[in-house]
Amino acid sequence: QVQLQESGPGLVKPSETLSLTCSVSGGSLSSGTYYWSWIRQPPGKGLEWIGHISYTGSTNYNPSLKSRVTISVDTSKNQFSLRLKSVTAADTAVYYCASFFRRIIRGTVWNRIDPWGQGTLVTVSS
Amino acid sequence: QSVLTQPPSVSAAPGQKVTISCSGSSSNIGNNYVSWYQQLPGTAPKLLIYDNNKRPSGIPDRFSGSRSGTSAALGITGLQTGDEADYYCGTWDSSLSAGVFGGGTKLTVL
Repeated sequence: QVQLQESGPGLVKPSETLSLTCSVSGGSLSSGTYYWSWIRQPPGKGLEWIGHISYTGSTNYNPSLKSRVTISVDTSKNQFSLRLKSVTAADTAVYYCASFFRRIIRGTVWNRIDPWGQGTLVTVSS
Repeated sequence: QSVLTQPPSVSAAPGQKVTISCSGSSSNIGNNYVSWYQQLPGTAPKLLIYDNNKRPSGIPDRFSGSRSGTSAALGITGLQTGDEADYYCGTWDSSLSAGVFGGGTKLTVL
Protein backbone atom coordinates (compact mmCIF):
# COMPACT_ATOMS: atom_id res chain seq x y z
CA GLN A 1 0.00 0.00 0.00
CA VAL A 2 1.05 3.57 -0.63
CA GLN A 3 2.94 5.35 2.13
CA LEU A 4 3.93 9.03 2.25
CA GLN A 5 6.67 10.73 4.24
CA GLU A 6 7.28 14.45 4.58
CA SER A 7 10.76 15.92 4.94
CA GLY A 8 12.23 19.39 5.22
CA PRO A 9 13.37 22.08 7.66
CA GLY A 10 11.43 22.39 10.90
CA LEU A 11 12.27 26.06 11.32
CA VAL A 12 11.92 28.84 8.75
CA LYS A 13 12.57 32.54 9.22
CA PRO A 14 9.84 35.12 8.52
CA SER A 15 9.77 36.39 4.91
CA GLU A 16 11.70 33.34 3.69
CA THR A 17 10.44 30.36 1.68
CA LEU A 18 9.17 27.14 3.25
CA SER A 19 10.17 24.05 1.26
CA LEU A 20 8.97 20.51 1.94
CA THR A 21 9.22 17.24 0.03
CA CYS A 22 6.95 14.23 0.17
CA SER A 23 8.39 10.82 -0.74
CA VAL A 24 5.93 8.21 -1.97
CA SER A 25 6.60 4.49 -1.52
CA GLY A 26 4.61 1.37 -2.29
CA GLY A 27 3.08 2.89 -5.39
CA SER A 28 3.72 5.20 -8.31
CA LEU A 29 2.99 8.91 -8.54
CA SER A 30 2.04 8.32 -12.16
CA SER A 31 -1.57 7.38 -11.47
CA GLY A 32 -4.17 9.26 -13.43
CA THR A 33 -6.83 8.99 -10.73
CA TYR A 34 -4.77 10.41 -7.90
CA TYR A 35 -3.55 13.86 -7.11
CA TRP A 36 -0.78 14.59 -4.65
CA SER A 37 -1.81 17.02 -1.96
CA TRP A 38 -0.51 19.25 0.77
CA ILE A 39 -2.69 20.01 3.79
CA ARG A 40 -1.74 21.93 6.91
CA GLN A 41 -2.96 22.28 10.49
CA PRO A 42 -1.92 25.21 12.71
CA PRO A 43 -1.40 24.23 16.36
CA GLY A 44 -4.75 23.63 18.04
CA LYS A 45 -6.72 24.46 14.88
CA GLY A 46 -8.41 22.68 11.99
CA LEU A 47 -7.29 21.36 8.63
CA GLU A 48 -6.56 23.63 5.66
CA TRP A 49 -6.17 22.25 2.12
CA ILE A 50 -3.20 23.92 0.43
CA GLY A 51 -3.31 22.39 -3.03
CA HIS A 52 -2.53 19.38 -5.16
CA ILE A 53 -0.80 18.27 -8.35
CA SER A 54 -1.30 15.46 -10.85
CA TYR A 55 1.58 13.44 -12.23
CA THR A 56 1.29 15.48 -15.42
CA GLY A 57 1.84 18.69 -13.45
CA SER A 58 -1.73 19.98 -13.42
CA THR A 59 -2.35 21.92 -10.21
CA ASN A 60 -5.13 23.33 -8.06
CA TYR A 61 -4.44 25.69 -5.18
CA ASN A 62 -6.38 27.11 -2.25
CA PRO A 63 -7.41 30.59 -3.47
CA SER A 64 -6.30 32.14 -0.18
CA LEU A 65 -2.74 30.83 -0.63
CA LYS A 66 -2.45 30.72 -4.41
CA SER A 67 -0.20 33.78 -4.75
CA ARG A 68 2.44 32.23 -2.47
CA VAL A 69 2.27 28.49 -3.23
CA THR A 70 3.98 26.27 -5.76
CA ILE A 71 3.57 22.49 -5.84
CA SER A 72 5.78 20.47 -8.15
CA VAL A 73 6.25 16.79 -8.94
CA ASP A 74 9.30 14.66 -9.79
CA THR A 75 8.06 11.33 -11.12
CA SER A 76 11.61 10.00 -11.54
CA LYS A 77 12.12 10.24 -7.78
CA ASN A 78 8.49 9.47 -6.90
CA GLN A 79 8.38 12.72 -4.94
CA PHE A 80 6.38 15.91 -4.90
CA SER A 81 7.21 19.21 -3.23
CA LEU A 82 5.71 22.30 -1.65
CA ARG A 83 7.12 25.81 -1.71
CA LEU A 84 5.41 28.57 0.26
CA LYS A 85 7.05 31.97 -0.06
CA SER A 86 7.03 35.05 2.16
CA VAL A 87 6.07 33.09 5.28
CA THR A 88 4.88 34.65 8.53
CA ALA A 89 4.10 33.25 11.98
CA ALA A 90 0.61 32.44 10.69
CA ASP A 91 2.15 29.76 8.48
CA THR A 92 3.37 27.81 11.52
CA ALA A 93 1.63 24.46 11.26
CA VAL A 94 1.93 20.71 10.90
CA TYR A 95 2.17 20.08 7.17
CA TYR A 96 0.76 16.83 5.80
CA CYS A 97 1.22 15.31 2.37
CA ALA A 98 -1.51 12.99 1.16
CA SER A 99 -2.99 11.16 -1.79
CA PHE A 100 -6.14 12.83 -3.10
CA PHE A 101 -8.47 10.71 -5.20
CA ARG A 102 -10.54 12.89 -7.52
CA ARG A 103 -12.75 11.81 -10.40
CA ILE A 104 -15.39 13.91 -12.13
CA ILE A 105 -18.38 12.06 -13.54
CA ARG A 106 -21.22 14.09 -15.10
CA GLY A 107 -20.26 17.14 -13.07
CA THR A 108 -20.11 15.36 -9.71
CA VAL A 109 -16.73 15.13 -8.00
CA TRP A 110 -15.88 11.85 -6.34
CA ASN A 111 -13.12 12.60 -3.85
CA ARG A 112 -11.30 11.34 -0.80
CA ILE A 113 -7.92 11.84 0.88
CA ASP A 114 -6.16 8.63 1.72
CA PRO A 115 -3.54 7.87 2.88
CA TRP A 116 -1.90 10.73 4.75
CA GLY A 117 1.71 11.17 5.76
CA GLN A 118 2.54 11.43 9.44
CA GLY A 119 3.00 15.20 9.20
CA THR A 120 5.90 17.51 9.94
CA LEU A 121 5.85 20.60 12.14
CA VAL A 122 7.18 23.76 10.55
CA THR A 123 7.70 26.75 12.82
CA VAL A 124 8.15 30.23 11.40
CA SER A 125 10.32 32.24 13.75
CA SER A 126 13.44 34.34 13.73
CA GLN B 1 -13.74 30.60 8.77
CA SER B 2 -14.22 27.15 7.24
CA VAL B 3 -16.27 26.60 4.09
CA LEU B 4 -18.06 23.68 5.77
CA THR B 5 -19.71 24.18 9.17
CA GLN B 6 -19.44 21.66 12.01
CA PRO B 7 -20.29 21.96 15.70
CA PRO B 8 -17.11 22.56 17.73
CA SER B 9 -17.83 19.77 20.16
CA VAL B 10 -20.17 16.91 20.99
CA SER B 11 -20.25 14.53 23.92
CA ALA B 12 -22.03 11.37 24.98
CA ALA B 13 -21.64 8.48 27.40
CA PRO B 14 -19.98 5.16 26.55
CA GLY B 15 -22.31 2.88 24.63
CA GLN B 16 -24.48 5.74 23.43
CA LYS B 17 -24.86 7.19 19.93
CA VAL B 18 -23.74 10.56 18.62
CA THR B 19 -24.26 12.44 15.36
CA ILE B 20 -21.94 15.10 13.97
CA SER B 21 -23.34 17.45 11.35
CA CYS B 22 -21.59 19.15 8.44
CA SER B 23 -23.29 21.96 6.54
CA GLY B 24 -22.23 23.33 3.17
CA SER B 25 -23.67 24.62 -0.07
CA SER B 26 -24.61 23.54 -3.57
CA SER B 27 -21.05 24.05 -4.81
CA ASN B 28 -19.63 21.49 -2.38
CA ILE B 29 -21.78 19.04 -0.40
CA GLY B 30 -24.81 19.65 -2.60
CA ASN B 31 -23.15 18.20 -5.69
CA ASN B 32 -20.01 16.34 -4.62
CA TYR B 33 -19.29 13.38 -2.41
CA VAL B 34 -18.37 13.83 1.25
CA SER B 35 -15.65 12.17 3.30
CA TRP B 36 -15.08 12.07 7.03
CA TYR B 37 -11.71 11.93 8.78
CA GLN B 38 -10.83 10.88 12.33
CA GLN B 39 -7.85 12.49 14.02
CA LEU B 40 -6.81 10.82 17.25
CA PRO B 41 -4.70 12.96 19.60
CA GLY B 42 -1.21 13.54 18.27
CA THR B 43 -1.75 11.62 15.03
CA ALA B 44 -2.46 12.34 11.37
CA PRO B 45 -6.05 12.31 10.14
CA LYS B 46 -7.39 9.00 8.86
CA LEU B 47 -10.13 8.36 6.32
CA LEU B 48 -13.24 7.14 8.12
CA ILE B 49 -16.06 7.50 5.58
CA TYR B 50 -15.96 8.26 1.84
CA ASP B 51 -18.51 8.68 -0.95
CA ASN B 52 -20.98 9.94 1.70
CA ASN B 53 -21.53 6.56 3.34
CA LYS B 54 -18.83 4.00 2.48
CA ARG B 55 -16.37 2.64 4.98
CA PRO B 56 -12.76 1.78 4.09
CA SER B 57 -11.56 -1.68 4.97
CA GLY B 58 -11.00 -2.00 8.71
CA ILE B 59 -13.45 0.69 9.80
CA PRO B 60 -16.15 -0.86 12.04
CA ASP B 61 -19.80 -0.55 11.11
CA ARG B 62 -20.38 1.53 14.25
CA PHE B 63 -19.39 4.43 12.00
CA SER B 64 -21.85 5.57 9.34
CA GLY B 65 -22.31 8.53 7.01
CA SER B 66 -25.20 10.17 5.24
CA ARG B 67 -25.92 13.16 3.03
CA SER B 68 -29.11 15.12 2.41
CA GLY B 69 -29.13 18.19 0.23
CA THR B 70 -26.30 20.48 1.29
CA SER B 71 -25.67 18.76 4.63
CA ALA B 72 -23.93 15.60 5.71
CA ALA B 73 -23.73 13.71 8.96
CA LEU B 74 -21.46 11.22 10.69
CA GLY B 75 -23.03 8.76 13.10
CA ILE B 76 -21.17 6.77 15.72
CA THR B 77 -22.95 4.09 17.75
CA GLY B 78 -21.75 2.06 20.72
CA LEU B 79 -19.37 4.84 21.75
CA GLN B 80 -16.03 3.81 23.21
CA THR B 81 -13.43 5.89 25.00
CA GLY B 82 -11.10 5.16 22.09
CA ASP B 83 -13.43 7.13 19.82
CA GLU B 84 -12.40 10.37 21.52
CA ALA B 85 -10.92 12.36 18.68
CA ASP B 86 -11.43 15.28 16.33
CA TYR B 87 -13.66 14.56 13.35
CA TYR B 88 -13.55 16.50 10.09
CA CYS B 89 -15.82 16.48 7.08
CA GLY B 90 -14.31 17.24 3.69
CA THR B 91 -15.22 17.48 0.05
CA TRP B 92 -14.43 19.30 -3.20
CA ASP B 93 -15.82 22.76 -3.86
CA SER B 94 -16.52 23.14 -7.56
CA SER B 95 -16.77 26.95 -7.41
CA LEU B 96 -13.43 27.35 -5.63
CA SER B 97 -11.85 24.42 -7.51
CA ALA B 98 -10.38 23.46 -4.16
CA GLY B 99 -10.64 20.90 -1.42
CA VAL B 100 -12.50 22.13 1.64
CA PHE B 101 -12.89 20.95 5.24
CA GLY B 102 -15.17 21.63 8.13
CA GLY B 103 -13.70 23.27 11.22
CA GLY B 104 -13.65 19.97 13.07
CA THR B 105 -15.70 18.52 15.93
CA LYS B 106 -14.15 17.31 19.15
CA LEU B 107 -15.87 14.20 20.46
CA THR B 108 -15.75 13.56 24.18
CA VAL B 109 -16.90 10.23 25.55
CA LEU B 110 -17.89 10.97 29.13
